[in-house]
Amino acid sequence: EAGVAQSPRYKIIEKRQSVAFWCNPISGHATLYWYQQILGQGPKLLIQFQNNGVVDDSQLPKDRFSAERLKGVDSTLKIQPAKLEDSAVYLCASSIEAIQETQYFGPGTRLLVL
Amino acid sequence: SQQGEEDPQALSIQEGENATMNCSYKTSINNLQWYRQNSGRGLVHLILIRSNEREKHSGRLRVTLDTSKKSSSLLITASRAADTASYFCAGRGSARQLTFGSGTQLTVLP
Repeated sequence: EAGVAQSPRYKIIEKRQSVAFWCNPISGHATLYWYQQILGQGPKLLIQFQNNGVVDDSQLPKDRFSAERLKGVDSTLKIQPAKLEDSAVYLCASSIEAIQETQYFGPGTRLLVL
Repeated sequence: SQQGEEDPQALSIQEGENATMNCSYKTSINNLQWYRQNSGRGLVHLILIRSNEREKHSGRLRVTLDTSKKSSSLLITASRAADTASYFCAGRGSARQLTFGSGTQLTVLP
């Protein structure tokens, strides 16, 4: 089966610019997650969707980050405006249901903010 | 906040040796999972151990869990160069979200 797809793989922007990341989960997976992974740290959950509804966005910096999952399939994560500290890898993951134990991760988007 | 803290932060061994990584966590969990991350790639699920289990095996992997000490260990036996990666533990608590530790970087030398 095809895995979780993400694009772009790399992005370099200047601070205060905007950026968007795209994720296509595994077909049939109802739950989608966005994580932020800063260099040298483990992934931190930003937002979790169940179909097209938000389950948990408690760690999403809502003044600059937004995410949507229209039609309950693909998802986009946007940062506007970006700060230097947003430099990280943004990982998308999916699972069949929220209670499923295993999450399947995409390759990530590496963001560098200058 | 990080749920788990791995120890050591970095480990270098020779091919064929065993590698042991430890994880300590802070709050109660329903299960603890281990993931591997190769450089520049996403995470891959390795093994899950539930809170009522003490030990679990999968191929060359052995995981133990001690809920009284809030700790877990991952043992990789007969390591290979391809095992070189970062290894993360992740706890799943009542909030049902996974909270990851900071990882152990394993290097297996040929």
